[in-house]
Amino acid sequence: EVQLVESGGGLVQPGGSLRLSCAASGFTFSNSWMNWIRQAPGKGLQWVANIKEDGSEKYHVDSVKGRFTISRDNAKNSLYLQMNSLKAEDTAVYYCARPMSGHWGQGTLVTVSS
Amino acid sequence: QAVVTQEPSLTVSPGGTVTLTCDSSTGAVTSGHIPCWFQQKPGQAPKTLIYDTSNKHSWTPARFSGSLLGGKAALTLSGAQPEDEAEYYCSLSYSGPWVFGGGTKLTVL
Repeated sequence: EVQLVESGGGLVQPGGSLRLSCAASGFTFSNSWMNWIRQAPGKGLQWVANIKEDGSEKYHVDSVKGRFTISRDNAKNSLYLQMNSLKAEDTAVYYCARPMSGHWGQGTLVTVSS
Repeated sequence: QAVVTQEPSLTVSPGGTVTLTCDSSTGAVTSGHIPCWFQQKPGQAPKTLIYDTSNKHSWTPARFSGSLLGGKAALTLSGAQPEDEAEYYCSLSYSGPWVFGGGTKLTVL
């Protein structure tokens, strides 16, 4: 059974940092592009970032470039999202996902507020 | 980055047929955009219905189908059921980055 389990969310002040993690199991993680997708309260889905199987290619949505960095550790079957200089508009549920394969985590809530 | 546009809301009668569309600001949607469709119900994570234009997962009801139609990606629901009432999102790939549409709220009434 495929599992994607996010962790690391929480309440952080504007300008602060958080690191999200996603533990993957049930599939060959090192052969899979991986994505972070977020959903602000009451809003739609927004793709945030993705990373190639070996980490050689990474893409980020314009609104987080220079602040967020996606990374992975294939030895640990883990995906990460380092989030710096957080803003109120980054408040959302963050999903780790392989959308084309139909695999989504349950999401972790990040709240940026003073 | 590109903007992907969906109908904000649609209504379909039980047993009826409805088509949702997904448009790209950069021009015609092609199979190269690897269109995907997702269903989301309140309080739940999204569920992937269609990937790579028209491919279904084992859990995708047969009444859902994906296609390219008039330069857009399309999701057709034939024989709507009450449980199909949900928010539907499309996504397009732009050679690396993805963009989601704003979502279509589908009402079955």
